[in-house]
Amino acid sequence: AQTVTQSQPEMSVQEAETVTLSCTYDTSENNYYLFWYKQPPSRQMILVIRQEAYKQQNATENRFSVNFQKAAKSFSLKISDSQLGDTAMYFCAFMKHVGNTPLVFGKGTRLSVIA
Amino acid sequence: GAGVSQSPRYKVAKRGQDVALRCDPISGHVSLFWYQQALGQGPEFLTYFQNEAQLDKSGLPSDRFFAERPEGSVSTLKIQRTQQEDSAVYLCASSSAPGASTDTQYFGPGTRLTVL
Repeated sequence: AQTVTQSQPEMSVQEAETVTLSCTYDTSENNYYLFWYKQPPSRQMILVIRQEAYKQQNATENRFSVNFQKAAKSFSLKISDSQLGDTAMYFCAFMKHVGNTPLVFGKGTRLSVIA
Repeated sequence: GAGVSQSPRYKVAKRGQDVALRCDPISGHVSLFWYQQALGQGPEFLTYFQNEAQLDKSGLPSDRFFAERPEGSVSTLKIQRTQQEDSAVYLCASSSAPGASTDTQYFGPGTRLTVL
């Protein structure tokens, strides 16, 4: 069974600064997807970024980038130029690369961006 | 539709009542997932449909939980004889068919169920 661990329950960052959220996972699979989802207080889960395990290049989406270390089973999220709207719960999630399979989520990190 | 929709957004039930939660997936998405999110936790998988077929229901916590998707679009999650431990946010997600260029799941806003 797959597990996802987010070791930082809460983090805060000053507006315009950079913050990194940690995520580690455990799996025996060789091919899989990793995701970061954002859940603002309104509760709608929004995809931030995704990474295919077979791709060595780290995914980037505007101010969001990941540091994917397959051997270490680590998948951290870096948010640059933090904005007040980035305040939310952030969930790291794993999915096997076999058609559509359920996501396995970590417990989340609550990020607060401070003005 | 533009996104996944769920109704009702909030539901309060007395212990022992039956409830039904509805999910409308993104148009054309054949895969549909239900998750349960307890307060302060990450979502946990309940069940999965591909079109009208329920391919995995291993996450349903008890036989009081039942899900259906009879025409391969709208899905309903039914909880019979609700208990206090059923209080949670129930999230629905949809994604495109297996083998498509993306397997990303898109989530609805959730239904917050409170059992008194």
